[in-house]
Amino acid sequence: QVQLVQSGAEVKKPGASVKVSCKASGYTFTDYSMHWVRQAPGQGLEWMGRINPYSGGTNYAQKFQGRVTMTRDTSISTAYMDLSRLRSDDTAVYYCARDAPGGYGMDVWGQGTTVTVSS
Amino acid sequence: SYELTQPPSVSVSPGQTARITCSGDALPKQYAYWYQQKPGQAPIMVIYKDSERPSGIPERFSGSSSGTTVTLTISGVQAEDEADYYCQSEDSDGFSHVVFGGGTKVTVL
Repeated sequence: QVQLVQSGAEVKKPGASVKVSCKASGYTFTDYSMHWVRQAPGQGLEWMGRINPYSGGTNYAQKFQGRVTMTRDTSISTAYMDLSRLRSDDTAVYYCARDAPGGYGMDVWGQGTTVTVSS
Repeated sequence: SYELTQPPSVSVSPGQTARITCSGDALPKQYAYWYQQKPGQAPIMVIYKDSERPSGIPERFSGSSSGTTVTLTISGVQAEDEADYYCQSEDSDGFSHVVFGGGTKVTVL
């Protein structure tokens, strides 16, 4: 079945970087864009950006420009989200979500990865 | 930056109808999507392209669009529908940036 499996929880110090992975299975990885969305404790969903796994092209939210890098490894059907210069307000659950082409929306989500930033 | 506006909360009795609105200037030009999120779980999509329902989503969930407002309607609300609901769309300034509404907590009384 189609699923996205994310890497485990991370604890980081302020100023460090974190890299979260999202492994896809059950479909052709390069046929669907991948979004990254985060949710701070008790808050709503916040879009960070997306990557086209076929071309590697990216589109980042303005808020994260210069701090986020999204990449992929098509040989292992895995997308990555790297966030640098972490602050305490980056503490959140980070989700990857597949985007079906043709405007069919984020139809499959990963289970989420908790990133805690604390000194 | 572009924003989508939702009411923070909606309360409804079992069997009644819940309506959640989402307003945004670009909604006449961009599709809207709706996601349901229960505590501790990842979101799931309940409506795409304003009014289409993914397979496996109950028929009581429906979506509509009128001008700058889209609406998610839950007919015959059940206790299991208690959750947070988020609308999502994109800006229309050519940057294709995704935006989420602030979310609406649906409480089943």
